[in-house]
Amino acid sequence: DAGVTQSPTHLIKTRGQQVTLRCSPISGHKSVSWYQQVLGQGPQFIFQYYEKEERGRGNFPDRFSARQFPNYSSELNVNALLLGDSALYLCASGGGPSNTGELFFGEGSRLTVL
Amino acid sequence: GEDVEQSLFLSVREGDSSVINCTYTDSSSTYLYWYKQEPGAGLQLLTYIFSNMDMKQDQRLTVLLNKKDKHLSLRIADTQTGDSAIYFCAEILNRDDKIIFGKGTRLHILP
Repeated sequence: DAGVTQSPTHLIKTRGQQVTLRCSPISGHKSVSWYQQVLGQGPQFIFQYYEKEERGRGNFPDRFSARQFPNYSSELNVNALLLGDSALYLCASGGGPSNTGELFFGEGSRLTVL
Repeated sequence: GEDVEQSLFLSVREGDSSVINCTYTDSSSTYLYWYKQEPGAGLQLLTYIFSNMDMKQDQRLTVLLNKKDKHLSLRIADTQTGDSAIYFCAEILNRDDKIIFGKGTRLHILP
């Protein structure tokens, strides 16, 4: 079974540009969450989607947006990139049929903003 | 408030037990997690415990939960070099399914 897949794995952007990151959850999982991990810190919650509805939003500016598609995959968009947006962006998948509370993460998309 | 605290570093000799401690503040947590992160990699779910349990054992891993003191610990028996990583404690808040992570404990294995 495929785990949580994220793309791209690495990307470099310049200040002011826009970026779209993609995530496919584990088959059967209906929840996708996004986290930002800055070097040396724990992941910070950005968004959670369940059944295509936004269920939670962290303390991030409106430049950050996300959506979930009918097949439960998700995109995270960040506009007007700042140097401080450089981080590892992690996607988590959960809410499977057994709904045991297990949350699985992908390998992340490493964004560098120059 | 929402805060998860853990010590930043732990050094343990190979073969000894490692105990990583964590405290959390939000009593509405439903699940508490331990994740492992190796350099350059994503987060690997090691184990988790439901908030109405006080202990969970899974092979070399033992999780202890003291709800009264809001204290969670992870014990790794017979620590190996492959256990060298950063370990994150995390809680999920019942009200909005948000996961709050600690800053991570870097486990260093001494030969």
